[in-house]
Amino acid sequence: KAGVTQTPRYLIKTRGQQVTLSCSPISGHRSVSWYQQTPGQGLQFLFEYFSETQRNKGNFPGRFSGRQFSNSRSEMNVSTLELGDSALYLCASSTETSGRNEQFFGPGTRLTVL
Amino acid sequence: KNEVEQSPQNLTAQEGEFITINCSYSVGISALHWLQQHPGGGIVSLFMLSSGKKKHGRLIATINIQEKHSSLHITASHPRDSAVYICAVSTPWNYGGSQGNLIFGKGTKLSVKP
Repeated sequence: KAGVTQTPRYLIKTRGQQVTLSCSPISGHRSVSWYQQTPGQGLQFLFEYFSETQRNKGNFPGRFSGRQFSNSRSEMNVSTLELGDSALYLCASSTETSGRNEQFFGPGTRLTVL
Repeated sequence: KNEVEQSPQNLTAQEGEFITINCSYSVGISALHWLQQHPGGGIVSLFMLSSGKKKHGRLIATINIQEKHSSLHITASHPRDSAVYICAVSTPWNYGGSQGNLIFGKGTKLSVKP
């Protein structure tokens, strides 16, 4: 089985721009979770999608949004980028509820905001 | 105070040593996860446990629900074990504000010298 894939792997944007990141889960996994990792804050939960519905959301501003398609692929969007949005963005997939099942992580997208 | 605390933050060991990483949490949980992150960012799920003890190769994870504490042990450590080890807890569905998602510790950076 192919693992979780994320595109692009690296991205450089400037302040004020918007960005869309993509995540393809393992085949058969219906839950996709997104995380932000920064040196200062560590790993933080962004949101979880299950069967095209946002099931959970972390404490991030509304500039961070996401969606999930019928094939379970997910995208996250960050609008009006700020310098502090520079981070490694990871997605993870699992069969059911993200917290109660083993999660399989993608390689991440490293976003740099200049 | 963080909801998930790990110790130590940094750990240097000689090859062959027995290693213990500790994780304490202050919230009710449905499961606890141990994750491994190598340089470059990729994260691998090592264990998910809600009680007792699990073993996989040279890795052992234990959890004491009453004491809200978990340990990750590495026996006969090897330089390839060098990585950041992250403890994360998943909260029950009725945990206000972050239902069912993962809360992460800051990680323990392990370096094993040959």
